[in-house]
Amino acid sequence: SQKIEQNSEALNIQEGKTATLTCNYTNYSPAYLQWYRQDPGRGPVFLLLIRENEKEKRKERLKVTFDTTLKQSLFHITASQPADSATYLCALGTQTGANNLFFGTGTRLTVIP
Amino acid sequence: ETGVTQSPTHLIKTRGQQVTLRCSSQSGHNTVSWYQQALGQGPQFIFQYYREEENGRGNFPPRFSGLQFPNYSSELNVNALELDDSALYLCASSLVGDSHSGELFFGEGSRLTVL
Repeated sequence: SQKIEQNSEALNIQEGKTATLTCNYTNYSPAYLQWYRQDPGRGPVFLLLIRENEKEKRKERLKVTFDTTLKQSLFHITASQPADSATYLCALGTQTGANNLFFGTGTRLTVIP
Repeated sequence: ETGVTQSPTHLIKTRGQQVTLRCSSQSGHNTVSWYQQALGQGPQFIFQYYREEENGRGNFPPRFSGLQFPNYSSELNVNALELDDSALYLCASSLVGDSHSGELFFGEGSRLTVL
């Protein structure tokens, strides 16, 4: 069966450290993978997209890697801040030009001052 | 701010009733999709509309239906409500044509409670 698993429901880290979130998938052939941030009671907000032929993408303090052999993406937040506390969702897109995404259940990150 | 607005923000219905949720897309976006997010879960794709026609559907029964209007606003209709339909319903707009993007702009959602 198809599954998208994110490493843990909750992750607590100290301010200033690097947070690493994991997204593993089974029985999908993604054309691209996206990461979203979701705050309580709000809609998800797009952060980064990485395509199947890309290994790594960066945006400011964010870095995403994508390993189609391991069927895994890692999402890093460097120099984490309390404002980074939120739920982070990974989402797979299996068709270019189509926008239906398959989401994981998310990891709730708390950055402790 | 994504420019996607949804209404109502919260509503309560009873089992068997019908509900209509509305979404106004971001200016310039021609595609709208709807997602259901149960508590503690990730969003699940319901369907997508492009040029006023449904062009993709997830694993949801026919009592979930939708419309897209010429101004790209959209409605989600759910008939014969069940308790399990209680969830946050998210509308997302995007621009088809940028085949390597797929970035979705989500609204804040409509929280539906079915009693």
